[in-house]
Amino acid sequence: KAGVTQTPRYLIKTRGQQVTLSCSPISGHRSVSWYQQTPGQGLQFLFEYFSETQRNKGNFPGRFSGRQFSNSRSEMNVSTLELGDSALYLCASSPANGVNTEAFFGQGTRLTVV
Amino acid sequence: AQSVSQHNHHVILSEAASLELGCNYSYGGTVNLFWYVQYPGQHLQLLLKYFSGDPLVKGIKGFEAEFIKSKFSFNLRKPSVQWSDTAEYFCAVTPPGNQFYFGTGTSLTVIP
Repeated sequence: KAGVTQTPRYLIKTRGQQVTLSCSPISGHRSVSWYQQTPGQGLQFLFEYFSETQRNKGNFPGRFSGRQFSNSRSEMNVSTLELGDSALYLCASSPANGVNTEAFFGQGTRLTVV
Repeated sequence: AQSVSQHNHHVILSEAASLELGCNYSYGGTVNLFWYVQYPGQHLQLLLKYFSGDPLVKGIKGFEAEFIKSKFSFNLRKPSVQWSDTAEYFCAVTPPGNQFYFGTGTSLTVIP
């Protein structure tokens, strides 16, 4: 079974630009979550999608948005990039309805904003 | 809001030393508990998990963790670390609803 796939692996963007990150979950997994990982902050929860609906949302500004498609693939968009958005963005998928499930992580997209 | 605290930010041990990493969480209800590990350049992998039952859970690579409900703790232990255990370790908690709350991580360096 293929794991969680995130593309691209690396991105360099300029302040003010926007960026879209992609995540393909493990086949059969319907829940996809996004996290921002920075040194010293650990993993900060961005949002979670289940069956194309945003089910949970973290404390990030509206510049961060996401969506999920009918095949469970998910995209995350960051508009008007700031230097502080530089981070590793992780996607995690899990099987079903969140009860007694674990999260399976992708390798992440390393975003650098210059 | 729920939070997860990992007391040790950076730990340095010699090979064969024993390891204990602390994790405390703030949530009064039922939770699922996890420890994830991130080896250099690799993705986060599950070390072990607790959903219910025996509060002492065993994971991969000789790791174990004990859930103490009264202390809201889920400490990770390993009797004898190896150089290959050098990695970052994250404690995570999920109340029902599938949102994971992660600690800030503990960086472990094992010296051969």
